[in-house]
Formats: sequence, C-alpha cells, structure tokens
Amino acid sequence: KAGVTQTPRYLIKTRGQQVTLSCSPISGHRSVSWYQQTPGQGLQFLFEYFSETQRNKGNFPGRFSGRQFSNSRSEMNVSTLELGDSALYLCASSFLISGTGNTEAFFGQGTRLTVV
Amino acid sequence: QKEVEQNSGPLSVPEGAIASLNCTYSDRGSQSFFWYRQYSGKSPELIMSIYSNGDKEDGRFTAQLNKASQYVSLLIRDSQPSDSATYLCAGPGSQGNLIFGKGTKLSVKP
Repeated sequence: KAGVTQTPRYLIKTRGQQVTLSCSPISGHRSVSWYQQTPGQGLQFLFEYFSETQRNKGNFPGRFSGRQFSNSRSEMNVSTLELGDSALYLCASSFLISGTGNTEAFFGQGTRLTVV
Repeated sequence: QKEVEQNSGPLSVPEGAIASLNCTYSDRGSQSFFWYRQYSGKSPELIMSIYSNGDKEDGRFTAQLNKASQYVSLLIRDSQPSDSATYLCAGPGSQGNLIFGKGTKLSVKP
C-alpha cells in the first residue's frame, strides 16, 4: 500500500509570490490534514479536509488556503509569501480505526519551502 | 487551549540502555495519544499509539498512559544508535487535529 505522497519535495520562492503544494493520501483515507513545522514553533495545524470539505481550521492567516478533490487528493496554497512562511509543510492522511472511535494519522515526506 | 508538553532534551543514553521519554497534557478528557519519531530532515513517523490507561508494548517500545496524572511516556529498551531521533508526543486538539509537543531529541551513543 502506497504511503502519503507530497509534491514537490523542495521549493524556493520569492517574497510576494504564491505557491501550491500537493498531497495524495493513502488509498482509502478520506481525511487530509496539513501542518507547518518550524524549529521555533514545532508542528502547527493548518487545516483538515474530509470529503472535499474543510472540516477544521487552525490559527493561520487567510493567505493559507486549501482544497480537496473527489479522489481525496488535497492541495494547499499560500499567497503573498513572507519570509516567515519558510518551513516544512506536512500532509497527514488519517483513518478511523474500526470499532474504536480513534483515528491514526500518517505523514507524507513533506515539502520544504524556502522563501527568499 | 489544549497543550502537550515535552522535555526538549537532549537526552543522551548509551547503547543498550533504556531511554525514557515523557510527555504531559493539559486536557483531562483526552483519550488517545501518539508517539512519532522524526529523523533529521525527515517527516514524523508514527511508532506507537495508546488509547487506554496502562502499558502497550510493541517490540522494544512501550508506551504508558496515566490518565489520572495526565502523563504519557515512551520507553525504548536496548536502545540502538539508529533510535537517535526527535520523538514527538501528540494528543487530540480541540479542532479535530493533533497537537504536538516540541519533541525530545534522543541521542544513543555507541
């Protein structure tokens, strides 16, 4: 079974530009979450999509947006990039463990975004 | 605001020793916790999940959950240099997400 696939792996962008990151979850997983990881702040939640709908959102500005397609693939967009957006962006694919009410999340390799 | 806290370390243990990683959480109602291992430059990898009070063992790893003390731990027996990584503790957030501790960096010396 293939894991979570994120593309691209690395990106260098200039301040003010926008960027789109892609995530393909594990086959059969319908929930996709996005996280930002920086050395100072650790892992912070951006948003979660389930069945093409944004189900939850973290405390990030509106420059950060996302969407999910009918095949569960998700994209994340950051507009008007700032130097502080440099980070590792991680996508997590989740599934509900049958009979437990618990979910487990698996991360992709991440996209390393550098804003210069 | 739910929080998960970890001692950032670094924690250094000799090869073959037991490494003990600890985590506390703020929300008494939290039911499920996870340990992720993250090698330098890589993404977090789920290594243990625990949903009930007590111990859960998987090979050299044992996760412990104490709901009364709001405390989660991960024990790594017979530590190997390949266990050197940052270990992240995670619990349920208030937005259907996971909230993570800042991670404990473990170094296993040969």
